[in-house]
Amino acid sequence: AQKITQTQPGMFVQEKEAVTLDCTYDTSDPSYGLFWYKQPSSGEMIFLIYQGSYDQQNATEGRYSLNFQKARKSANLVISASQLGDSAMYFCAMRGSTQGGSEKLVFGKGTKLTVNP
Amino acid sequence: DVKVTQSSRYLVKRTGEKVFLECVQDMDHENMFWYRQDPGLGLRLIYFSYDVKMKEKGDIPEGYSVSREKKERFSLILESASTNQTSMYLCASSTGGAYTGELFFGEGSRLTVL
Repeated sequence: AQKITQTQPGMFVQEKEAVTLDCTYDTSDPSYGLFWYKQPSSGEMIFLIYQGSYDQQNATEGRYSLNFQKARKSANLVISASQLGDSAMYFCAMRGSTQGGSEKLVFGKGTKLTVNP
Repeated sequence: DVKVTQSSRYLVKRTGEKVFLECVQDMDHENMFWYRQDPGLGLRLIYFSYDVKMKEKGDIPEGYSVSREKKERFSLILESASTNQTSMYLCASSTGGAYTGELFFGEGSRLTVL
């Protein structure tokens, strides 16, 4: 079974600084994918970034980058130059399998990020 | 724009009532999901459908059932609502096949059972 662990229930960062949100995972699958989603207070889930297990380079999307360390089974999200609008819940997720062999996303418990002015 | 629409943003129901949560997607996606979100627990999969009339149990299916009669619509049913089903419910969809793509989520339905 797949498992995602986010050990930081809450994080604080000053505006314009960088912040790292931790995510570790556990899987026995040789091929897997890792995702980060953002959930503002309005409730919608916003896809941020994806990293495939065989990707040679760390994924980047604008101010978001994924620090992928395969041997350590970690997939930390780095947000550079934080903005007030980055205040939200952040979820790490991994592609997993249902009991029937289909695919699903397994989510961590989330980290609440607060950006201070 | 791709869109997943959940019929109700907020619902208040009484214990024992039958509750229907509706979800419609306009992207012709094969896969549709119902997740439940609770503080400190993240998102947990209730049910999943990979085709019309096909469904699979997720991690917490007890007390729930689903219906997918048309490709674009996936309904979550609480046969007899209980207070421990008070939660935020999120519907999502994705393309089928080898899954490397993202999930597209609806805005969520916050259900309160009194």
